[in-house]
Amino acid sequence: SQQGEEDPQALSIQEGENATMNCSYKTSINNLQWYRQNSGRGLVHLILIRSNEREKHSGRLRVTLDTSKKSSSLLITASRAADTASYFCATDLGYGNKLVFGAGTILRVKS
Amino acid sequence: EAGVVQSPRYKIIEKKQPVAFWCNPISGHNTLYWYLQNLGQGPELLIRYENEEAVDDSQLPKDRFSAERLKGVDSTLKIQPAELGDSAVYLCASTLNSGANVLTFGAGSRLTVL
Repeated sequence: SQQGEEDPQALSIQEGENATMNCSYKTSINNLQWYRQNSGRGLVHLILIRSNEREKHSGRLRVTLDTSKKSSSLLITASRAADTASYFCATDLGYGNKLVFGAGTILRVKS
Repeated sequence: EAGVVQSPRYKIIEKKQPVAFWCNPISGHNTLYWYLQNLGQGPELLIRYENEEAVDDSQLPKDRFSAERLKGVDSTLKIQPAELGDSAVYLCASTLNSGANVLTFGAGSRLTVL
């Protein structure tokens, strides 16, 4: 079973626009992570936000976490065609536990 | 530094045939994972190793799937016999220790069962 659920399932935007993806989860977490997967490739870690953090930035990425609503969002600013990929949130329940992935959001950035 | 290496990248077999996938994690990474990814879905954990010990294999279908990591380095995942529903991508990932849980993934092995 997958704890995280991403929304929307697919997103198509123009280059230069911002892309926002949301993730909801069910149980308390130690941290939440976002990964990117280009077609036919493995997943690449983007950013990690701990349960006691509310917002985190990395380059054009901004992640927020609301533990009261059990939700997170990933914002990609000034999107590029190279950002076209699937994006997955993953919840970490803590030491010794597995990382549980959601079903992902497919992002298409049109140039 | 080489990343997580998986082979083969692609495999096509007839149903009921055996198949094996190999993974070499990043040097020094104690924890190794095998994930299954169906089309349009996120990865689902099959098995997690801490060194050579399988510490979480609750999602591994043990009637036909087996895995080993004999020396705590590289690992092999086997399916015997394969079924049509096993068609998927098998991803290997590693991390320094499961407390960190930031995973480095290999490119995956795509299996097609005919």
